[in-house]
Amino acid sequence: SQKIEQNSEALNIQEGKTATLTCNYTNYSPAYLQWYRQDPGRGPVFLLLIRENEKEKRKERLKVTFDTTLKQSLFHITASQPADSATYLCALPLSGGYQKVTFGTGTKLQVIP
Amino acid sequence: DAGVIQSPRHEVTEMGQEVTLRCKPISGHDYLFWYRQTMMRGLELLIYFNNNVPIDDSGMPEDRFSAKMPNASFSTLKIQPSEPRDSAVYFCASSFTGGEAFFGQGTRLTVV
Repeated sequence: SQKIEQNSEALNIQEGKTATLTCNYTNYSPAYLQWYRQDPGRGPVFLLLIRENEKEKRKERLKVTFDTTLKQSLFHITASQPADSATYLCALPLSGGYQKVTFGTGTKLQVIP
Repeated sequence: DAGVIQSPRHEVTEMGQEVTLRCKPISGHDYLFWYRQTMMRGLELLIYFNNNVPIDDSGMPEDRFSAKMPNASFSTLKIQPSEPRDSAVYFCASSFTGGEAFFGQGTRLTVV
């Protein structure tokens, strides 16, 4: 079956360090992968999209990689700040349609001052 | 644009009652999605529409759930009759073809 796996354990890092979150998927080859941020009591907010023919994408302090061979995406936040503390979700279109996006369960990031 | 607007923000109802959740997507977006989020199952796609037409409702858990989109600016998700296991946060999201999804603030449903 098709699955998206994110580390369900919270990630605690020191302010200023680089946070790295992992998203693995199985039994599918998605055309793209997205990363969202979700704060408590709010809806997810889009951060980045990376397509299958792109290896890496950057936006300010954010960097996403997409390895279609390993079926894995890594999400990096450099020079992390306490304001980066949130749950980060990866999302991709599994079978059924280009727009039919399925979300991982998310990884909670806590940046410690 | 004010973003995706959902109402109500909170809903508490008794088991067996009908519940209707409402969503106003961002103007110009041609896709609308309904998601449900729980601690156990995360964010699940229930149904999505393209140009007001339901495309995939395979995520709708049971016949008790129904969704409509009578026009480009309004959608409803109805649960009838509601059960305690329906308690969750329900999100509506909209997007323009090929673009990212914009989520509403969600409706926190509690069925007692």
